[in-house]
Amino acid sequence: GQQLNQSPQSMFIQEGEDVSMNCTSSSIFNTWLWYKQEPGEGPVLLIALYKAGELTSNGRLTAQFGITRKDSFLNISASIPSDVGIYFCAGHYGYALNFGKGTSLLVTP
Amino acid sequence: SAVISQKPSRDICQRGTSLTIQCQVDSQVTMMFWYRQQPGQSLTLIATANQGSEATYESGFVIDKFPISRPNLTFSTLTVSNMSPEDSSIYLCSVEAPRDTQYFGPGTRLTVL
Repeated sequence: GQQLNQSPQSMFIQEGEDVSMNCTSSSIFNTWLWYKQEPGEGPVLLIALYKAGELTSNGRLTAQFGITRKDSFLNISASIPSDVGIYFCAGHYGYALNFGKGTSLLVTP
Repeated sequence: SAVISQKPSRDICQRGTSLTIQCQVDSQVTMMFWYRQQPGQSLTLIATANQGSEATYESGFVIDKFPISRPNLTFSTLTVSNMSPEDSSIYLCSVEAPRDTQYFGPGTRLTVL
């Protein structure tokens, strides 16, 4: 599958701060997805994006599908301790998903 | 959304043995997927399992090492054969969901000694 570059690799922030992470690809995707994985669990879908330029929110989370269709970003506003986990971007191709390497988020109270 | 369970949730195995992981879904689905997540790494697709046909394996994964069964529309198994410590990973099953998304099971944490 196509290589997805996700950054930053990790973030260590204080409660209340905003967070931004992004994902880029050398290839075009028609669908971008953002998942969160907590320790001992499988990934859980947060947001799905289907159109270039689309901006979608889910509570304190906002994600955008880049105009070039080769990138996406995820913002988390006013972080709280339960936001801790690994956030993965994924691009849909054919029948499967290609995942980025993940952004590990730690939030201190 | 579909509810997916996996058994076992974790296991510690000896080198050279095999382990079969089960994945059960609470609704009928056409496509099921098996992923490997090595320690601290991302998810890598092993194979796609459709009921009634042979599994389709991704580059770098072979049927002899990772045989898969898909006997019906709610169940699949993945076997990790002749294990070595390099096979220590989280193995995740997922199912197709609407609009290009997938739902994931909780994973099976495998340690090979």
